[in-house]
Amino acid sequence: QSALTQPASVSGSPGQSITISCTGTSSDVGGYNYVSWYQQHPGKAPKLMIYEVSNRPSGVSNRFSGSKSGNTASLTISGLQAEDEADYYCSSYTSSIVVFGGGTKLTVL
Amino acid sequence: QVQLQESGPGLVKPSETLSLTCAVSGYSISSGYYWGWIRQPPGKGLEWIGSIYHSGSTYYNPSLKSRVTISVDTSKNQFSLKLSSVTAADTAVYYCARFASYGYYYIYYWGQGTLVTVSS
Repeated sequence: QSALTQPASVSGSPGQSITISCTGTSSDVGGYNYVSWYQQHPGKAPKLMIYEVSNRPSGVSNRFSGSKSGNTASLTISGLQAEDEADYYCSSYTSSIVVFGGGTKLTVL
Repeated sequence: QVQLQESGPGLVKPSETLSLTCAVSGYSISSGYYWGWIRQPPGKGLEWIGSIYHSGSTYYNPSLKSRVTISVDTSKNQFSLKLSSVTAADTAVYYCARFASYGYYYIYYWGQGTLVTVSS
């Protein structure tokens, strides 16, 4: 069982917006602004998409955005594109350890 | 451009020690940053194994702490993972990674990953 809870799957049509949630506790997501999001295509290494809740690394499309409210963090992808189809993982730092969510499979219809 | 490359045996026998090395290019480990290992069992999610600062300070996942050792060799610009007493549950793709400079809060660079199978 993962420390952070994500929906197993989400889907959307090209051009639409989707949001993936990541629910933790006041000890992890709610207690630190160290939530990050990773995109993983099949057979590939994960790629950092969002760090420290809402910061985008250089080179990541501004269609990706992050936010947090209480113990739940969210990743929103706007203007959905076919290449966004992948697995997405959230992560949080908590009390000297790093925890991940179970992952969400995004399907672009 | 920072690049990380894992190397080590792809097959390890149960009860033995898994040993992997991550060679870093494009950046000198001795200059800073946190480094570490993450694993992913086939078809499953990610699990943080542990992190090491360039100075040698280590931080481990409590669930693996009794079996894990992460070390750094700045002369060779590489760091290593040792996981003892392995079982089939340790079968996974193992990634080495570079975290942030001020803490192991997020992973900016990932290696390509290497599959390690535990089987007799």
